[in-house]
Amino acid sequence: QLVVTQSPSASASLGASVKLTCTLSSGHIYYAIAWHQQQPEKGPRFLMKINSDGTHSKGDGIPDRFSGSSSGAERYLTISSLQSEDEADYYCQTWDTGGVFGGGTKLTVL
Amino acid sequence: EVQLVESGGGLIQPGGSLRLSCAASGFTVSSNYMSWVRQAPGRGLEWVSAIYSGGTTSYADSVKGRFTISRDNSINTLYLQMNSLRAEDTAVYYCARNAASAPLNPDYWGQGTLVTVSS
Repeated sequence: QLVVTQSPSASASLGASVKLTCTLSSGHIYYAIAWHQQQPEKGPRFLMKINSDGTHSKGDGIPDRFSGSSSGAERYLTISSLQSEDEADYYCQTWDTGGVFGGGTKLTVL
Repeated sequence: EVQLVESGGGLIQPGGSLRLSCAASGFTVSSNYMSWVRQAPGRGLEWVSAIYSGGTTSYADSVKGRFTISRDNSINTLYLQMNSLRAEDTAVYYCARNAASAPLNPDYWGQGTLVTVSS
């Protein structure tokens, strides 16, 4: 069964960097994933798609502070120079015959 | 500029029906893959349904047989017909355009419309 797993929470200081992890289920380690950001009381926003080889393509207007990478079954979202507006829920998503979302990671900017 | 504007949400009794609309601008709905995704209060995102450019549709098991996705090409609008509604269908429903390179990967989202199923 296709599943993506995320840690429920993460935190980092203003101006620092943070790396969020999305883990694909066994047998699905070559799947691409997408990261979506949801700020409080707003709709989601597409950040980027990450392929199994680490190549990634960003959504329109996404700052260079956001980057993606891959290693085995894990897909990463790295946010550098953290700003207060980066405090949000981050969802990992993949797809097969249907879409599959992870439970989300709540990022707190200290 | 790509824009998606959902409407049609509201309070509905269990067993009732509701049709959500998503008016699109800045691109052509019929040429793109489109999805509906929902979010129950305080919960994460859940994929609901998709329609492909050729008209093929797919549904989550939780809504199969009750929900129908469709589009009206003449007014560039996506729909979600929801029948036999249950309390667990209560959620904000988002319309999304999917990326050309990944048919089930949303690259633009609407602001959502709230559906509350309650007696």
